[in-house]
Amino acid sequence: AQSVSQHNHHVILSEAASLELGCNYSYGGTVNLFWYVQYPGQHLQLLLKYFSGDPLVKGIKGFEAEFIKSKFSFNLRKPSVQWSDTAEYFCAVKDTDKLIFGTGTRLQVFP
Amino acid sequence: DGGITQSPKYLFRKEGQNVTLSCEQNLNHDAMYWYRQDPGQGLRLIYYSQIVNDFQKGDIAEGYSVSREKKESFPLTVTSAQKNPTAFYLCASSPILQGMAYEQYFGPGTRLTVT
Repeated sequence: AQSVSQHNHHVILSEAASLELGCNYSYGGTVNLFWYVQYPGQHLQLLLKYFSGDPLVKGIKGFEAEFIKSKFSFNLRKPSVQWSDTAEYFCAVKDTDKLIFGTGTRLQVFP
Repeated sequence: DGGITQSPKYLFRKEGQNVTLSCEQNLNHDAMYWYRQDPGQGLRLIYYSQIVNDFQKGDIAEGYSVSREKKESFPLTVTSAQKNPTAFYLCASSPILQGMAYEQYFGPGTRLTVT
């Protein structure tokens, strides 16, 4: 079965800093990958997804992620974070008929 | 207004009591899911269902039960057999396209506290 690793558990940044959150999945083949975000007090919502095609995926709020098959990775990036990006971020991979989630990364952005 | 509703937002129960968490969706999605979220552990799948009257165990089904009598509804019962029931419970749904379920849409969650 698939598994997902998010190595950054807690990231603290100042506004305007660049962000990269790591995500690795366990085995290859055809993969469907997702990043979800949970803002304080809000629903978990989809940031972006990769099914096939261009490995550089653009999502909402200026986020992007790059699928690197050789590294089994799907890292999330944003060139310049804002205070409003403070949230918990979850990477997920599709495994047959369900999603497998990582343990999450808590991002705190200070003004 | 389409979406997933979970009620109540906060729930308090005494140890030894069963409790049922509600999840309703009006997105016409075939698949529905229940997760448990604990700090530092991400989301762990409890049960899921892809069709009415059928459901499968997830990774941590022990102490929980579900039913799927209607497409729109997927209630979760936390039984007294669940050893550590205090947690944040999330319900999700997803469409099934060409026999496959894809991205999931989440409800606001229910925070259950058992004392």
